[in-house]
Amino acid sequence: GAGVSQSPRYKVTKRGQDVALRCDPISGHVSLYWYRQALGQGPEFLTYFNYEAQQDKSGLPNDRFSAERPEGSISTLTIQRTEQRDSAMYRCASTGAGETQYFGPGTRLLVL
Amino acid sequence: GIQVEQSPPDLILQEGANSTLRCNFSDSVNNLQWFHQNPWGQLINLFYIPSGTKQNGRLSATTVATERYSLLYISSSQTTDSGVYFCAVPSSGGYNKLIFGAGTRLAVHP
Repeated sequence: GAGVSQSPRYKVTKRGQDVALRCDPISGHVSLYWYRQALGQGPEFLTYFNYEAQQDKSGLPNDRFSAERPEGSISTLTIQRTEQRDSAMYRCASTGAGETQYFGPGTRLLVL
Repeated sequence: GIQVEQSPPDLILQEGANSTLRCNFSDSVNNLQWFHQNPWGQLINLFYIPSGTKQNGRLSATTVATERYSLLYISSSQTTDSGVYFCAVPSSGGYNKLIFGAGTRLAVHP
């Protein structure tokens, strides 16, 4: 079956603009995670959903970052008033009945 | 929180060579994953290995949970093995929020 998909794959935006990053998990996967990966580093946790419930948002850096998963499937990570320091790879992962996390291809965000 | 350390940070191999990558973690865990980030940035699952040994082709992994480390073996390396290898373990909290190491950057030359 299809894996985790993310869109857009690349996003270039100007400082101050809002961006919305989309994640479509593997069909039937109830758990969904967002991570951020800076260049040369490992991914860092941002937030976690179980079905539509956001159960942990402790990794979101500040209140410009928000995420939702209204119907328990597709999720959107929104960054308001983007800053240059937000530039990174944003990764989404999902898990089903097991604990293996499957990652999407990521969205590479560049804020000019 | 739990700390994950990977070694070596960088590794250069000639095609055909074997290598061992190490992942140490600071607390007991109930699972561990190894990933390969290829040069195009995709993060690919290699192993889910909370304990014991698994093999998949030229790759194998061993986790000794009681001693808090895991090893990834690459045999007969190929240029397509190049990229960054990450290990990740769950943080405490009852769900699978992963903590990643900084990775081992591998370059395999022909």
